[in-house]
Amino acid sequence: GAVVSQHPSWVICKSGTSVKIECRSLDFQATTMFWYRQFPKQSLMLMATSNEGSKATYEQGVEKDKFLINHASLTLSTLTVTSAHPEDSSFYICSGEIAGRSYEQYFGPGTRLTVT
Amino acid sequence: QQQVKQSPQSLIVQKGGISIINCAYENTAFDYFPWYQQFPGKGPALLIAIRPDVSEKKEGRFTISFNKSAKQFSLHIMDSQPGDSATYFCAAHGFSGGYNKLIFGAGTRLAVHP
Repeated sequence: GAVVSQHPSWVICKSGTSVKIECRSLDFQATTMFWYRQFPKQSLMLMATSNEGSKATYEQGVEKDKFLINHASLTLSTLTVTSAHPEDSSFYICSGEIAGRSYEQYFGPGTRLTVT
Repeated sequence: QQQVKQSPQSLIVQKGGISIINCAYENTAFDYFPWYQQFPGKGPALLIAIRPDVSEKKEGRFTISFNKSAKQFSLHIMDSQPGDSATYFCAAHGFSGGYNKLIFGAGTRLAVHP
């Protein structure tokens, strides 16, 4: 149980374009979902927290107009990287928090974004 | 105060040996301490977790030791196997900025040699 999927798993886009990443909780309802960014050989950096039906809360230093997050339902959150640039190339990982069990986060497999 | 310090950065262990990874924290309000295992190109997977009112938790070959007074906790992998070669992250759960979040350590790259 507690499976999270991400789509796509790997995407290449050109500089200046936008790309959307989907995060789905497959067998549980996630009232809260988190988006992380991970550079090679580094730890996970929390970008934002999203609650279903509410605006996302962004970490300090994360541009909310560049990284658009929508948590449309209890099983789906999306991250849109707008006007992508090569420095946005990274591994993006989402996680879902099971309703009523706020301590446990289950992570998706990640999305590798390469901006050329 | 929100940091979680993890050591060592990398670790090489022979097959069958014990792998030990240590973490330290400052914020006494942290209330849950999970360990995650991550393979290259994959998302982190929850391995084992402990609450601060427990000093030790064991699941199979994996054991968390927790020292509340020292604000330290560690992961022990007994009988380490080549398949355990991965990056391990400790984390601490706490309330910050209006919501609960996980604070991750920097990670430890474990290599188990046959």
